[in-house]
Amino acid sequence: AAGVIQSPRHLIKEKRETATLKCYPIPRHDTVYWYQQGPGQDPQFLISFYEKMQSDKGSIPDRFSAQQFSDYHSELNMSSLELGDSALYFCASSLRGWDEQYFGPGTRLTVT
Amino acid sequence: AQKVTQAQTEISVVEKEDVTLDCVYETRDTTYYLFWYKQPPSGELVFLIRRNSFDEQNEISGRYSWNFQKSTSSFNFTITASQVVDSAVYFCALSEPPTSGTYKYIFGTGTRLKVLA
Repeated sequence: AAGVIQSPRHLIKEKRETATLKCYPIPRHDTVYWYQQGPGQDPQFLISFYEKMQSDKGSIPDRFSAQQFSDYHSELNMSSLELGDSALYFCASSLRGWDEQYFGPGTRLTVT
Repeated sequence: AQKVTQAQTEISVVEKEDVTLDCVYETRDTTYYLFWYKQPPSGELVFLIRRNSFDEQNEISGRYSWNFQKSTSSFNFTITASQVVDSAVYFCALSEPPTSGTYKYIFGTGTRLKVLA
């Protein structure tokens, strides 16, 4: 069965640089979520999209933005990167809002 | 306010032992959803189970079983005859119908399970 695809899997950036993370949800899933997981922490909700419209925002810094495109893939754009942005970034999708979310393998971002 | 508490930070057991991971939640909604995910050392989050608030039936899947008790706001997870491959961090999560937006998860802090050979 198709799973959520994330790219790249690993990314190393320097402070003040920008990064773009991509997510391809499971086909026919109508909702996409982004989460950030710091070292030794639980995943924290960043932002979500329902049918390509931004739906909800969590603790997402103003330096971050995201969008969902016509083919349903989503991108998380991160600017002015800080050391504290180093984390595992997950994308997840669900068939319907209340269904279980299926997570991609994550993008590990390291900011040096 | 929503909250998920996993009081056990780390548990170590010897292979073939049974182990129970605790999850206690707080919510003001009568409709909500509970989940368990496994995060092995490779880092991905693997869905294990979803439970709706209106369905208190316990569930068994192979060596895994879940005990949902609304009276104590708990949704505990038991692994029977643990194996080394069960070593992972296990997260309990809660979601509620949103007033607007999507069903985002609130995760517990996770329990790291180490199964020793």
